[in-house]
Amino acid sequence: QKEVEQDPGPLSVPEGAIVSLNCTYSNSAFQYFMWYRQYSRKGPELLMYTYSSGNKEDGRFTAQVDKSSKYISLFIRDSQPSDSATYLCAMWSRAGGSYIPTFGRGTSLIVHP
Amino acid sequence: DVKVTQSSRYLVKRTGEKVFLECVQDMDHENMFWYRQDPGLGLRLIYFSYDVKMKEKGDIPEGYSVSREKKERFSLILESASTNQTSMYLCASGQGRGYTFGSGTRLTVV
Repeated sequence: QKEVEQDPGPLSVPEGAIVSLNCTYSNSAFQYFMWYRQYSRKGPELLMYTYSSGNKEDGRFTAQVDKSSKYISLFIRDSQPSDSATYLCAMWSRAGGSYIPTFGRGTSLIVHP
Repeated sequence: DVKVTQSSRYLVKRTGEKVFLECVQDMDHENMFWYRQDPGLGLRLIYFSYDVKMKEKGDIPEGYSVSREKKERFSLILESASTNQTSMYLCASGQGRGYTFGSGTRLTVV
């Protein structure tokens, strides 16, 4: 079992839909959780950064962490065609002083007009 | 905003060539990383560095080496390029609260 599991998709939704992107993980030591958006042929850009459990909102984006279930989600409200990209989750732990994040493989999202 | 600059967006090299990929960050970060990204395989860590002249192997270091002579610059070296090293190479820099990636270098080895 991989440490971080993420459905590759593609996930295809109509413009305006609410999108839910998810990752599960097995390492209970993970404390810091990130979501990246990656457009084709570009580097990933950091969207959201959260620590521990709970919700964090930034505009149309909400990141949710459920540490008891080892499950994180990214919700996109009022999705736009410009949201079409690959979304990667990442997480890491300070245990042992390591700052190396573990990435999911990414979910491809297509928002069609 | 943190800026991570990779020197080349696209490179085409011949098998057996020595290839240098350069990465520069402007935020005085201690941690820098080199990844390669391939379809279906996601991001794989090649090497990382916690400080100047310090380097640690990642998950797939074979065929690669790195150099960090200055804090802001982290170079990835392909000692003798092979076709299976054709990939997207991504540099990242960070201090804990998220990591910033460069735009990537798409390397093709022919």
